[in-house]
Amino acid sequence: EVQLLESGGGLVQPGGSLRLSCAASGFTFSSYPMGWVRQAPGKGLEWVSVISGGGGSTYYADSVKGRFTNSRDNSKNTLYLQMNSLRADDTAVYYCAKTESWIRVDVWGQGTTVTVSS
Amino acid sequence: QSALTQPRSVSGSPGQSVTISCTGTSTDVGGYNYVSWYQQHPGKAPKLVIYDVSKRPSGVPDRFSGSKSGNTASLTISGLQAEDEADYYCCSYAGTYTLVFGGGTMLTVL
Repeated sequence: EVQLLESGGGLVQPGGSLRLSCAASGFTFSSYPMGWVRQAPGKGLEWVSVISGGGGSTYYADSVKGRFTNSRDNSKNTLYLQMNSLRADDTAVYYCAKTESWIRVDVWGQGTTVTVSS
Repeated sequence: QSALTQPRSVSGSPGQSVTISCTGTSTDVGGYNYVSWYQQHPGKAPKLVIYDVSKRPSGVPDRFSGSKSGNTASLTISGLQAEDEADYYCCSYAGTYTLVFGGGTMLTVL
């Protein structure tokens, strides 16, 4: 069974940093681009970032470009999102996402909550 | 990277059909046959119900169907059931390895 398990969410002050992790199982992790999608409280889904299977290519939404870094360790089947210079509008549930050929999300994690507040 | 446009809410009675629209531009919905739809129940992660405009993943009932015309995609749910009550999001490939989501539609089964 394909599973994605996020961790690392929590409360952080504006300007602070946080690193999310996503442990993957049940599929050949290195063969798939992996991404992050977030959902602010009471709001819709927002695509954040995607990384190639080998980790050599990354793409970001304009809203996080320059502040967030998407990376992966294929030896550990783990995806990461390093979030720096956090702002109140980064408050959201962050979902780890397995993509199929970059064109859709076919498996979602259960989400981890990030709250940016003083 | 503007969000795709969906109606905020739709409703229908059990057994009826409802259609949810999703309007984008020629650089996303209109430019690729890579529209997907997700169902999200409160407090849960989204679930893929339609991909590549009109294909259904294994396990999704054939009551769910999708289509596209120009820059607008649609999700139709026929034979509405109580468990279909949820939020629905469209999503389109938008080129350069990016995805764009719609704002979401709340489906109420009356």
